[in-house]
Amino acid sequence: GAVVSQHPSRVICKSGTSVKIECRSLDFQATTMFWYRQFPKQSLMLMATSNEGSKATYEQGVEKDKFLINHASLTLSTLTVTSAHPEDSSFYICSAIPGQGTDTQYFGPGTRLTVL
Amino acid sequence: GEDVEQSLFLSVREGDSSVINCTYTDSSSTYLYWYKQEPGAGLQLLTYIFSNMDMKQDQRLTVLLNKKDKHLSLRIADTQTGDSAIYFCAVGAGANNLFFGTGTRLTVIP
Repeated sequence: GAVVSQHPSRVICKSGTSVKIECRSLDFQATTMFWYRQFPKQSLMLMATSNEGSKATYEQGVEKDKFLINHASLTLSTLTVTSAHPEDSSFYICSAIPGQGTDTQYFGPGTRLTVL
Repeated sequence: GEDVEQSLFLSVREGDSSVINCTYTDSSSTYLYWYKQEPGAGLQLLTYIFSNMDMKQDQRLTVLLNKKDKHLSLRIADTQTGDSAIYFCAVGAGANNLFFGTGTRLTVIP
């Protein structure tokens, strides 16, 4: 149980375009989802916390208008990288907490974004 | 915030035990996790411990917590080549507020 999927697993786009990444909890409802960014050979950096039906909470230094997060249902959160630039190239990972009183984040497999 | 430190690299021979260490700074951290990341993949939860515990064993994995020294370790017994990966410790006051270490790259030598 507690499986999280991401789509796409890899995406290559041209500079200036927008890219949407989906994060789904497959076998549970997730009131809270998280978006992380991971640079090569580095740890995870939390970008934002996404709660179903409300606005995402962004970490300091993360541009809200650049990284749009939508958590429209209890099983789906999306991250849209708007007007992508090469410096946005990274590995983006989402995670989810199954419901109330659960103590673990379950992670998706990640999405590798390459901006040309 | 919390500072979470790990050694960057560890090499062990197949069949030996591996010990991956993690130190943290915030004594209010009550949730402590170990995640495994294989190349190009997301994070897989391996095991976790709460701050009211000193040790937790799960098959080949043993987690030790020294709360006084804010030191967490993961021991992998009989390490196999399939254990080669990056191991992250993550700590926090709650599951929704985790701080990750830099990750330790474990290399298992056949």
